[in-house]
Amino acid sequence: ELKVEQNPLFLSMQEGKNYTIYCNYSTTSDRLYWYRQDPGKSLESLFVLLSNGAVKQEGRLMASLDTKARLSTLHITAAVHDLSATYFCAVPPMDSNYQLIWGAGTKLIIKP
Amino acid sequence: EPEVTQTPSHQVTQMGQEVILRCVPISNHLYFYWYRQILGQKVEFLVSFYNNEISEKSEIFDDQFSVERPDGSNFTLKIRSTKLEDSAMYFCASSSSHMNTEAFFGQGTRLTVV
Repeated sequence: ELKVEQNPLFLSMQEGKNYTIYCNYSTTSDRLYWYRQDPGKSLESLFVLLSNGAVKQEGRLMASLDTKARLSTLHITAAVHDLSATYFCAVPPMDSNYQLIWGAGTKLIIKP
Repeated sequence: EPEVTQTPSHQVTQMGQEVILRCVPISNHLYFYWYRQILGQKVEFLVSFYNNEISEKSEIFDDQFSVERPDGSNFTLKIRSTKLEDSAMYFCASSSSHMNTEAFFGQGTRLTVV
């Protein structure tokens, strides 16, 4: 059974700092998704990582995927307050074409 | 920008009552999903729907749940006899492909069973 673990689950940081959120998964998968959720809001797609070694960047966020290590990272560069949100990674099981298994989320608070 | 819309935003119902949650997926999408998120917990897959039939469902999606696409635009989730533990945020999502693209989520319906 596929399990997806994120760490840390909570992160409070100052503006301008760099940090990395980690997403580990327990069984083979070839894709990984990162989503953002603001309090009481929907899930917004950030990145779709489709292959080993995939790296995608959008603004101050950069995501990478290592399928051999079953690890994805979401790196935040020079954080700003607007990036405060909960970040989820989600992985499709290999025996599924449709569903995603989600991590518990990392609640990120960026202080001015 | 196209978006997934859900109604109502908040539904309060008594235990044992039936509820129908409604969703309008993005118009050119072919794959539709329901997920739920119990307060403070993980997002959980319920069901996926393609070509007018369920393509996959989770263990959560038991006989109390059903989905329907009654016309060309709406996608509904029905819970026949609600239980307290059905209280959650229910998200509808749609995607153009089931493999290489992301799913776009609606703003959610908060269901409170009392």
